[in-house]
Amino acid sequence: KAGVTQTPRYLIKTRGQQVTLSCSPISGHRSVSWYQQTPGQGLQFLFEYFSETQRNKGNFPGRFSGRQFSNSRSEMNVSTLELGDSALYLCASSSAQGRGGTDTQYFGPGTRLTVL
Amino acid sequence: GDSVTQMEGPVTLSEEAFLTINCTYTATGYPSLFWYVQYPGEGLQLLLKATKADDKGSNKGFEATYRKETTSFHLEKGSVQVSDSAVYFCALSRTGNQFYFGTGTSLTVIP
Repeated sequence: KAGVTQTPRYLIKTRGQQVTLSCSPISGHRSVSWYQQTPGQGLQFLFEYFSETQRNKGNFPGRFSGRQFSNSRSEMNVSTLELGDSALYLCASSSAQGRGGTDTQYFGPGTRLTVL
Repeated sequence: GDSVTQMEGPVTLSEEAFLTINCTYTATGYPSLFWYVQYPGEGLQLLLKATKADDKGSNKGFEATYRKETTSFHLEKGSVQVSDSAVYFCALSRTGNQFYFGTGTSLTVIP
């Protein structure tokens, strides 16, 4: 079974631009979560989508948004980029529906975003 | 709120040494606990998990026991190898798929 894939792997943008990152979950997985990883803040939860609906949201400004398509693929968008948005953005998928917090998340390799 | 605190790194060990990486958590109710590993340039991989108190997760020689009385989930391995060099993350999940991760502990194993 193919793993979680993320595209692109690397991106360089300038301040004020916007960016869209893509994630394809493991086949059959309906839940997709996004995380931001930085050396200073570690791994921080952005949001989770299940069946095209945002189910959980972390504490990030509205510049960060996402969506999920009917085939479970997900995109996240960051508008008006700031230098502090430079990070590794990780996508994770899981198969179950979030019952009782026991679902295992499987991570993609990440998209490295650099904002100049 | 929910949170995970793990031992600061970096940790440097000689091959075949014993490894312990401490992890404690704060959460209401009964979270599931996880250890993930991240190799350079890669995403996180699940190493092991435990879903209830006193459960022991194990994989590839690594073990961790869910201790509710001490709210801990320490990672141990009896004999580390150079290939174990990576960053290790402790995490909890209490509701749905919202995970809380520790800050990560970098491990370097030298021959």
